[in-house]
Amino acid sequence: DVKVTQSSRYLVKRTGEKVFLECVQDMDHENMFWYRQDPGLGLRLIYFSYDVKMKEKGDIPEGYSVSREKKERFSLILESASTNQTSMYLCASSLDRVSGEQYFGPGTRLTVT
Amino acid sequence: EDKVVQSPLSLVVHEGDTVTLNCSYEVTNFRSLLWYKQEKKAPTFLFMLTSSGIEKKSGRLSSILDKKELFSILNITATQTGDSAVYLCAVVSGTYKYIFGTGTRLKVLA
Repeated sequence: DVKVTQSSRYLVKRTGEKVFLECVQDMDHENMFWYRQDPGLGLRLIYFSYDVKMKEKGDIPEGYSVSREKKERFSLILESASTNQTSMYLCASSLDRVSGEQYFGPGTRLTVT
Repeated sequence: EDKVVQSPLSLVVHEGDTVTLNCSYEVTNFRSLLWYKQEKKAPTFLFMLTSSGIEKKSGRLSSILDKKELFSILNITATQTGDSAVYLCAVVSGTYKYIFGTGTRLKVLA
């Protein structure tokens, strides 16, 4: 079974702090994704990566950066957390970039106060 | 602009009922349509559809795609309380773009 894990289930941070969210997958997938999920807005893509050290902006990259130094690990960084970044963050991986199934991690609920 | 619209937003039924969830889309370069079930955690994959008119089936769940009318339906027969969840539809457009609908929240009462 594919397993995608995220470093924290719940996180509370203060405005202005630097926040790291980590995601690890164990299936040697090429592609990894970071989404945020907000009520009424669905899942929105922040960044994705199709290879080590490669990254592409999604629909809402502002205020975020990412790092992929190893194939299995994809990190999301909030350089200076703000209250409007309070959300559920979901990481996903997929083998097939073109059309295929994504496997999701359990999510990190981040609250910025 | 690519978009995916799911209806209804929410639904309450009794055990044993049959439900139909809808997903309509407008995207520029359709590759596939995916259905997921999300309980209180990660979305789990249900179906991937790429061809019109071919029903995918898994137990009491089935789904079909209509690429001419740009929609898909997810059917659940003989619903159980364990089917209570948010059902997400996503359309893959181009090489990486997964566009998600906002989901249908299903509650099944015992």
